[in-house]
Amino acid sequence: GQQVMQIPQYQHVQEGEDFTTYCNSSTTLSNIQWYKQRPGGHPVFLIQLVKSGEVKKQKRLTFQFGEAKKNSSLHITATQTTDVGTYFCAGQAITTDSWGKLQFGAGTQVVVTP
Amino acid sequence: ETGVTQTPRHLVMGMTNKKSLKCEQHLGHNAMYWYKQSAKKPLELMFVYSLEERVENNSVPSRFSPECPNSSHLFLHLHTLQPEDSALYLCASSQSPGSIYNSPLHFGNGTRLTVT
Repeated sequence: GQQVMQIPQYQHVQEGEDFTTYCNSSTTLSNIQWYKQRPGGHPVFLIQLVKSGEVKKQKRLTFQFGEAKKNSSLHITATQTTDVGTYFCAGQAITTDSWGKLQFGAGTQVVVTP
Repeated sequence: ETGVTQTPRHLVMGMTNKKSLKCEQHLGHNAMYWYKQSAKKPLELMFVYSLEERVENNSVPSRFSPECPNSSHLFLHLHTLQPEDSALYLCASSQSPGSIYNSPLHFGNGTRLTVT
């Protein structure tokens, strides 16, 4: 079945530094979504990417969807303490019966050191 | 602030108990979901309801029984659970198909379940 893997599992970042987290699917995706979960909180939707090679920015966050629509990345510049949390990617397979069935990755847990 | 409300926030139950988790959404969505979140594991989709019909049962044991009486409410009835069922249970809602693409999920705060 479809699997979505995220690397790294943990990311320790010095405040002000940049980092990137990666998401790889075993199958081609129709679209991918990213979520952020703060410690003790619930996942919150960040963005959805649909087109091959698509790049979207939200302030210091840059999201990219691979040309083959099997991988995605999230790049954060000038990390701040508010970026602490776990970032999940979630992919929807390209099959016709895939509606409602997002496959989540295990997440990248980000810790920011002041 | 979430438009999806889950109760209770915490639940401790014995293996012979019967309890129910409740979810209510105030976003006008017509699809609702139950997810299970265990430590260091991906979110696991359990059930999906669209327009009050169950469209997905992701091989969930029968000791978990969902109920969706209307598009705003979703329940998860629990009975004879096992300790490995201890986890955070998240409810979510979204717009239901109008597109082939999954709409963004709006999650509740979850119910932290401990089975003793």
